Amino acid sequence: GQQLNQSPQSMFIQEGEDVSMNCTSSSIFNTWLWYKQEPGEGPVLLIALYKAGELTSNGRLTAQFGITRKDSFLNISASIPSDVGIYFCAGQGNAGANSKLTFGKGITLSVRP
Amino acid sequence: DAGVTQSPTHLIKTRGQQVTLRCSPKSGHDTVSWYQQALGQGPQFIFQYYEEEERQRGNFPDRFSGHQFPNYSSELNVNALLLGDSALYLCASSLAGVGGSRYFGNGTRLTVT
Repeated sequence: GQQLNQSPQSMFIQEGEDVSMNCTSSSIFNTWLWYKQEPGEGPVLLIALYKAGELTSNGRLTAQFGITRKDSFLNISASIPSDVGIYFCAGQGNAGANSKLTFGKGITLSVRP
Repeated sequence: DAGVTQSPTHLIKTRGQQVTLRCSPKSGHDTVSWYQQALGQGPQFIFQYYEEEERQRGNFPDRFSGHQFPNYSSELNVNALLLGDSALYLCASSLAGVGGSRYFGNGTRLTVT
C-alpha cells in the first residue's frame, strides 16, 4: 500500500542538539499528524496539523503543514534521552474526519548522552 | 479513563490457522480502525468499523474480516494464516466526525510459524 516518504531511516544526535525530520507525499492530504512509537507500545500522537501553512508547537516539538499539502516537517529542539523512539508522519485524506491514515516508514531517533 | 485496550498482547499461530484479536476503544469513542504494522514499517490501514458496519477498507484480502459489537468493541479475524501475516496489529479508536485514529492501543504481536 501507499506510504509516505520519510528519510533517513535512522538519525543519531547528541543530547541538547536540535533535529528536523520531514515527510513527503505524492498525494495531497488535508490533515498531517506526527506520532512517536516506543518499543512494545502503540503510536502516540505528538502533533496534529489541519491547515496548509499551519505551524504548531507542543513543548519542544514544532511541526508545520506544507503549503502544497504534500509535505510536513517536525522539529525537536534541545533533545533529551527520552526523545529516543521511532517518529512516524501520517496523512489523512479527503474522505472526512474519520478517513484512514497513511503512514510513513518512520525515522528511528537515537540520542547520545 | 482507560485508553484503547487490546488482547492478547502476544500470540503464536501456525500457518493455515485462524486468529481473533480484540479491541476495546477509549471511553466515549464509537469508531474503531485496525492497522497492520510489519517489522520496520509504518502501520497499514486494514479497515474501520462504525455503527457495527465496515465503513472503509484498505488493500487487504478477504481473509481479513472484522466485527463491531453494540458496546463499540471490535474483533479482527484472520483466516488461513500466512507467514507474511506476522506483524503487530494495532487498534485505534475515535469519535465519529471529530477526528480519526488519534488514539492507538499497544497492539497484539502475532507470530505465524
